[in-house]
Amino acid sequence: NAGVTQTPKFRILKIGQSMTLQCTQDMNHNYMYWYRQDPGMGLKLIYYSVGAGITDKGEVPNGYNVSRSTTEDFPLRLELAAPSQTSVYFCASSYSAGDQDYGYTFGSGTRLTVV
Amino acid sequence: DAKTTQPPSMDCAEGRAANLPCNHSTISGNEYVYWYRQIHSQGPQYIIHGLKNNETNEMASLIITEDRKSSTLILPHATLRDTAVYYCIVRDYTGTASKLTFGTGTRLQVTL
Repeated sequence: NAGVTQTPKFRILKIGQSMTLQCTQDMNHNYMYWYRQDPGMGLKLIYYSVGAGITDKGEVPNGYNVSRSTTEDFPLRLELAAPSQTSVYFCASSYSAGDQDYGYTFGSGTRLTVV
Repeated sequence: DAKTTQPPSMDCAEGRAANLPCNHSTISGNEYVYWYRQIHSQGPQYIIHGLKNNETNEMASLIITEDRKSSTLILPHATLRDTAVYYCIVRDYTGTASKLTFGTGTRLQVTL
């Protein structure tokens, strides 16, 4: 199992450009998440999904969009990149059944710089 | 949402036990306590979680007080590789989604 795979690992964008951060998992997890982490800070939830076709906003969704057409993939779209979106982005997945879940598996992150 | 309070940093000598405290005085009855760690700039790594009983796995032990208002993560024999930021998180189970809210954690430095 590869776990959670994120691409690219690094990217520099110019202000106003757009890009898609890719995330795929091969564990058949139903839940997937996107977090961002600014320097010296904890992770903040951007968007999450409880299954294919279902997404919802987290704490900091502005400037981002997501889709979940398959169980495996959960891409994060940045439209009109701004310097405030310079951050490290982590994708995660988990399996939940009823009132129990089994921990998150995180990807290795995408380091994005907007200049 | 139950919030957690952790010391910003701790030191531990290699080979000794590292005891990381966490206060979660507003935790509700069905909320779990989770611990994750983040080594350098890698993605966070799940360590352990519990509801009210003490838990142990190959990585660590989790001690939860009887009133559930605080807990302690114990790394029994800390090594240099355990140097990381440790996050204590109370699971926010809202609606149909289980979301984890990360704070700023405790930076554990293991030294020789």
